[in-house]
Amino acid sequence: ILNVEQSPQSLHVQEGDSTNFTCSFPSSNFYALHWYRWETAKSPEALFVMTLNGDEKKKGRISATLNTKEGYSYLYIKGSQPEDSATYLCAPNDYKLSFGAGTTVTVRA
Amino acid sequence: DGGITQSPKYLFRKEGQNVTLSCEQNLNHDAMYWYRQDPGQGLRLIYYSQIVNDFQKGDIAEGYSVSREKKESFPLTVTSAQKNPTAFYLCASSITSGGLSYNEQFFGPGTRLTVL
Repeated sequence: ILNVEQSPQSLHVQEGDSTNFTCSFPSSNFYALHWYRWETAKSPEALFVMTLNGDEKKKGRISATLNTKEGYSYLYIKGSQPEDSATYLCAPNDYKLSFGAGTTVTVRA
Repeated sequence: DGGITQSPKYLFRKEGQNVTLSCEQNLNHDAMYWYRQDPGQGLRLIYYSQIVNDFQKGDIAEGYSVSREKKESFPLTVTSAQKNPTAFYLCASSITSGGLSYNEQFFGPGTRLTVL
């Protein structure tokens, strides 16, 4: 199992503010990094799959960057909205996914 | 509607009883997975199957068993040998058997198992 750390564990952000959080993982034996969003009472949904060092992906107001050499990925939420409230999971992949415990984001109106 | 279904949503069992959790997908995915979630921890892989009639142990397979007789179905049995069975169980699938690295996984709604 890869040792995956996500920080912070939780955060609160005011509506309209931007925020970001981190996923750290061992940089060796790396194939890809997945980000998932898990809203309360729903199933986790894939946000991004990233494979290349320096990769940057964007979906609406959410974007992510990847540094495979140092073993981290950042996820950014620009202009947070209440519907962004969720737990965000990262999962690096050697031959299977190893999930972090997640960062729970609460957007206050 | 294509997707993954898990039933039941909540399940209660007495200690010492085996229990089977259902997972069905109509996405025509080759690969299927079972995860377990405990409070404060990431999802942990129990078993996965890359193709019909084949499956492999994940990180925490002890006390669990699976079968993959049909492409669309991947039931998980929690046996009495599982020491801490109370948890939230998630089933997932992905497109291809060779795509563990790159293909996104699609998740079901989960089953919360409580062993009394």
